[in-house]
Amino acid sequence: DVKVTQSSRYLVKRTGEKVFLECVQDMDHENMFWYRQDPGLGLRLIYFSYDVKMKEKGDIPEGYSVSREKKERFSLILESASTNQTSMYLCASSFPQGMVTEAFFGQGTRLTVV
Amino acid sequence: QKEVEQDPGPLSVPEGAIVSLNCTYSNSAFQYFMWYRQYSRKGPELLMYTYSSGNKEDGRFTAQVDKSSKYISLFIRDSQPSDSATYLCAMSVVRLQGAQKLVFGQGTRLTINP
Repeated sequence: DVKVTQSSRYLVKRTGEKVFLECVQDMDHENMFWYRQDPGLGLRLIYFSYDVKMKEKGDIPEGYSVSREKKERFSLILESASTNQTSMYLCASSFPQGMVTEAFFGQGTRLTVV
Repeated sequence: QKEVEQDPGPLSVPEGAIVSLNCTYSNSAFQYFMWYRQYSRKGPELLMYTYSSGNKEDGRFTAQVDKSSKYISLFIRDSQPSDSATYLCAMSVVRLQGAQKLVFGQGTRLTINP
């Protein structure tokens, strides 16, 4: 079974703190993604990576950065956390099989910024 | 305008009913259409995918794509309480390089009442 593991289920951080969200996958997937999920807005793509050290901005990258130093690990960084970054963060990974990309998701990290 | 629109519900139906979930989209370049199911406090999991227009059936689930109308549907027959979850439609374009990005709808929260 594919496993995508996010380091924390719940996090509470203070405004202005630097926050690291970690994600590890165990299936040698090339692609990794960070989404945030908010009520009424669905999943919105923050950043994604298709190879080690390669990254692309998603739809809402402002206030975030990412790091992918190893294939299995993809980190999301909130440079200076703000209250509007309170959300559920979901990491996903995928390996293209033919032309269909099934994304496997982690359990999510619920981040509260106070 | 969002690329993918989905009624967030909530939708509540009695056990055994036929459920219809729908999404509309604006990007005619989308070629792959997926439905993910997300149980409470879990990450989304792929339920079904279809390519281009037409129907696809898997047990009690039928996915339907009408590219001319930019409209996709998921039908659940003989609905069960265990089908209670949030259902998210997702779509992607074909990319020659890099990862295929998934664009998600807002998700519809479905409850099947025993």
